Amino acid sequence: DAGVIQSPRHEVTEMGQEVTLRCKPISGHNSLFWYRQTMMRGLELLIYFNNNVPIDDSGMPEDRFSAKMPNASFSTLKIQPSEPRDSAVYFCASSPYRSSYEQYFGPGTRLTVT
Amino acid sequence: AQTVTQSQPEMSVQEAETVTLSCTYDTSESNYYLFWYKQPPSRQMILVIRQEAYKQQNATENRFSVNFQKAAKSFSLKISDSQLGDTAMYFCAFRGVTSGSRLTFGEGTQLTVNP
Repeated sequence: DAGVIQSPRHEVTEMGQEVTLRCKPISGHNSLFWYRQTMMRGLELLIYFNNNVPIDDSGMPEDRFSAKMPNASFSTLKIQPSEPRDSAVYFCASSPYRSSYEQYFGPGTRLTVT
Repeated sequence: AQTVTQSQPEMSVQEAETVTLSCTYDTSESNYYLFWYKQPPSRQMILVIRQEAYKQQNATENRFSVNFQKAAKSFSLKISDSQLGDTAMYFCAFRGVTSGSRLTFGEGTQLTVNP
């Protein structure tokens, strides 16, 4: 299995631009998670989906952030407009839909907003 | 809400020696799962070991083992025969059965293995 796939691996953009991060979960996994990692705040859960349905988006910082999962094999995290404080590493993770299972993380996308 | 605390921001150990990383958590749930993840400089999050709260036996994976003390809400990671490749940030994480699928992470401990 290829594992969780994220693209792009690195993104540099200017403030105000729209940014879209992409994730392909492991085939057969029903749950998908988006995390943000910064030095100041550590690892934060932004949102997670079960069977393509958003379950908990309480970690989404503000309305500039949105996430979608149109099908079981694809999800996007969009930031519009982006701000310098959004600079972070964004991880996508997936797991089978049971709490006993660990989450498998993608390689992350390092986002820099100038 | 659950909280996970790692009180050691940094630790170092000599190659081939043993080191223990600490983790405590707070929860009102009786059934849950605990994990240790490793994040090397490549930043890839890698699962090291998993412990089910209902199991009294401590989990072991090769050189990695845990000391799970449920009453004390403590979940430490012991690395035996440390290797240079163990140098990484280590995160303790909690996942409750009734609180959904979310993982709650600790702040992390940066471990450096010295030659």
